[in-house]
Amino acid sequence: AQSVTQPDIHITVSEGASLELRCNYSYGATPYLFWYVQSPGQGLQLLLKYFSGDTLVQGIKGFEAEFKRSQSSFNLRKPSVHWSDAAEYFCAVGYGGSQGNLIFGKGTKLSVKP
Amino acid sequence: DSGVTQTPKHLITATGQRVTLRCSPRSGDLSVYWYQQSLDQGLQFLIQYYNGEERAKGNILERFSAQQFPDLHSELNLSSLELGDSALYFCASSVGPQLNTGELFFGEGSRLTVL
Repeated sequence: AQSVTQPDIHITVSEGASLELRCNYSYGATPYLFWYVQSPGQGLQLLLKYFSGDTLVQGIKGFEAEFKRSQSSFNLRKPSVHWSDAAEYFCAVGYGGSQGNLIFGKGTKLSVKP
Repeated sequence: DSGVTQTPKHLITATGQRVTLRCSPRSGDLSVYWYQQSLDQGLQFLIQYYNGEERAKGNILERFSAQQFPDLHSELNLSSLELGDSALYFCASSVGPQLNTGELFFGEGSRLTVL
């Protein structure tokens, strides 16, 4: 069965430091990959997505992610974290078939130290 | 603001009761998705509708049902509620039925508490 693993439940970084959030997926074919962010009391907002092509994708708010097929990974990165980035981040995988539902990881909560 | 509207935002009810959650998708979006977010299960896909027809079904209990109306709004009906049904229920919408036709936009969720 398809699955998404986010091995880090909670990460704390200092403001201005770099960030990498890990995501691994299990899927038989090349998946559609997504990163969403959820701020407290809010819905999920799409940061970036990968369908095909260039394996390094740029998203909003200065985030980027790299698809590595050999490692079944799609890690999210940001070179310099801002206090407003504190939130929960979800990696998701989707099918290339006739439906549009996503399978989400359990999420990584990011805390930012001043 | 994603453009997806969910009501009510908060709902408290008792075990055994029935509730209805409502979702209005973004203007122009034909697909509606329902997700359940709980602490132990995370975000679980429940069901997808596209232009009034059921498109995909996930981990939706038999006590739960949904439909999408001609005006494209959707309702999720939860019946014979149990304590474990307490969760945040998200609705999302997209233009088409498939992922490559556009991204999913999520509402702010309906928080259900079953006492």
